[in-house]
Amino acid sequence: DAGVTQSPTHLIKTRGQHVTLRCSPISGHKSVSWYQQVLGQGPQFIFQYYEKEERGRGNFPDRFSARQFPNYSSELNVNALLLGDSALYLCASSFRVAESYEQYFGPGTRLTVT
Amino acid sequence: KQEVTQIPAALSVPEGENLVLNCSFTDSAIYNLQWFRQDPGKGLTSLLLIQSSQREQTSGRLNASLDKSSGRSTLYIAASQPGDSATYLCAAYPTGTASKLTFGTGTRLQVTL
Repeated sequence: DAGVTQSPTHLIKTRGQHVTLRCSPISGHKSVSWYQQVLGQGPQFIFQYYEKEERGRGNFPDRFSARQFPNYSSELNVNALLLGDSALYLCASSFRVAESYEQYFGPGTRLTVT
Repeated sequence: KQEVTQIPAALSVPEGENLVLNCSFTDSAIYNLQWFRQDPGKGLTSLLLIQSSQREQTSGRLNASLDKSSGRSTLYIAASQPGDSATYLCAAYPTGTASKLTFGTGTRLQVTL
């Protein structure tokens, strides 16, 4: 079975632009979470979705938004990009949004804002 | 608010040494504790997941233990190899229905020949 997939692998954007990152969970998984990892730090939680509903949100500005589709894939959108948004964006999927279910991570999307 | 700390931040050891990486968390009310490996510029590779009812997990040369009462987890790597060079991250699963992971900042390990 395929693992969590993310696209694109890398992208470069200019300050003020908008970006959309995509994630496909493991088949059968209904929960998707997004994390931001700035260089030299651990990943920080951005959003969690389950059955197309937002179940958690981290301490990120409203420029960050996400959604989950009926096939459980997800998009992360970031508006008005800042230099500080340069990071590795990680997507994780789990079967359900409960404490006992392991999260499986994708390879990430490397975003560079110039 | 859960905070996860990893000590040391960086470590360099000669090949063949046994080593211990430490992870501490401020809120002992965690469910699972997971260790990951991250190579430069890459995503996360899961190494070991210690589930709620367990105190340790083993996989090959790796052994991870969890003591919730003291807020600590350790990752033991036996007979280290240059291929073990990477950053090691621990992540705590909170109790409750949300599964937002809280990560430490990682330990950067270099194993030299």
